[in-house]
Amino acid sequence: GESVGLHLPTLSVQEGDNSIINCAYSNSASDYFIWYKQESGKGPQFIIDIRSNMDKRQGQRVTVLLNKTVKHLSLQIAATQPGDSAVYFCAVTTLNSGYSTLTFGKGTMLLVSP
Amino acid sequence: DSGVTQTPKHLITATGQRVTLRCSPRSGDLSVYWYQQSLDQGLQFLIQYYNGEERAKGNILERFSAQQFPDLHSELNLSSLELGDSALYFCASSGGGSGDQPQHFGDGTRLSIL
Repeated sequence: GESVGLHLPTLSVQEGDNSIINCAYSNSASDYFIWYKQESGKGPQFIIDIRSNMDKRQGQRVTVLLNKTVKHLSLQIAATQPGDSAVYFCAVTTLNSGYSTLTFGKGTMLLVSP
Repeated sequence: DSGVTQTPKHLITATGQRVTLRCSPRSGDLSVYWYQQSLDQGLQFLIQYYNGEERAKGNILERFSAQQFPDLHSELNLSSLELGDSALYFCASSGGGSGDQPQHFGDGTRLSIL
């Protein structure tokens, strides 16, 4: 079945640094990719998404890069702040009963030191 | 605030019992998704309902069932509970029926089986 993995379980950075969180996926048919942030005691919060017809998309302080050739997705956070400390999940679409559903990676914990 | 409401926030019960988790989607959203989050399995898709009808099924056990009502709220029923069912259960909603769009998550129900 679909597997979605993360290269680093924990990423520690200093405030003001840029952070990069990586995600590998296995299904070449996946056509929609999304990043979520989950803080302790809360549900996952949508950050940014990208479709397979794009290779880069920017939001406020965040950029998602998609490399379909090597099936790799990354989330870049500029000028990381202590409030960015959370677990970050990538998710990709998988066909399920003929419909697209999301398969989530295991998550990367981002720790930002002041 | 995602606009998705889940009740109760916490639930403690015993093995063999049955519980019902409730979810109210964001206003206007027609799809409801249920996920289970445990430490060893991550965020696992269980089932999706779209406008009252089951749309997609994931790793949902036969002991679990769900439904979506005419007012679009959804309930997840878990029966013959086992210790391994202890987890966070999240509900998410989206506007359309396809999984290739942002899903907005509630803050979950934490289920503890004693």
